[in-house]
Amino acid sequence: GQNIDQPTEMTATEGAIVQINCTYQTSGFNGLFWYQQHAGEAPTFLSYNVLDGLEEKGRFSSFLSRSKGYSYLLLKELQMKDSASYLCAVREWSDYKLSFGAGTTVTVRA
Amino acid sequence: SQTIHQWPATLVQPVGSPLSLECTVEGTSNPNLYWYRQAAGRGLQLLFYSVGIGQISSEVPQNLSASRPQDRQFILSSKKLLLSDSGFYLCAWKDSGDREPYGYTFGSGTRLTVV
Repeated sequence: GQNIDQPTEMTATEGAIVQINCTYQTSGFNGLFWYQQHAGEAPTFLSYNVLDGLEEKGRFSSFLSRSKGYSYLLLKELQMKDSASYLCAVREWSDYKLSFGAGTTVTVRA
Repeated sequence: SQTIHQWPATLVQPVGSPLSLECTVEGTSNPNLYWYRQAAGRGLQLLFYSVGIGQISSEVPQNLSASRPQDRQFILSSKKLLLSDSGFYLCAWKDSGDREPYGYTFGSGTRLTVV
């Protein structure tokens, strides 16, 4: 089974940087994912880490440490449209199931 | 390219009524298919997943069931809805192997309100 923890809410100013942490415990780790979900919409894929280190994709970066069971999503140059819920998800070897954390609601203020 | 269709977008059903939500995927074959539910302000809970026609795995015991009558069709059903079945239901697909896209692709979701 999975135990995935992330903060409930974060607030930041437009143009700033925000880091969303995620810790997990799993018996069969096979990748960590970050999704963005705007209110009332389906989640959309942001990033994927399976090896330790940093993956950068434009304004978004994701980091993974498998030994520590830890990941973070870094959002730079925040824009108002980045206000959303960010979901951390861990994939198991078994049938590639994804288990999700409860999500972190990020509010970007002008 | 692959697309996933889910319908209806919204649904209001009385307690005790039946339910049928449908999801279809185009542009791929033998996908892994998943049904998730998201209660208001909560995370995504995996309900069912399928790795092939007629193969259904249930994650959470409840009054819901799932079927996969065709390779790219996944159906979520209930004979009698409960108030606690209200939520945002999401279908997702993934390539059956460890190939890109590595993550799930979600349908647009069905918002179900049981009254």
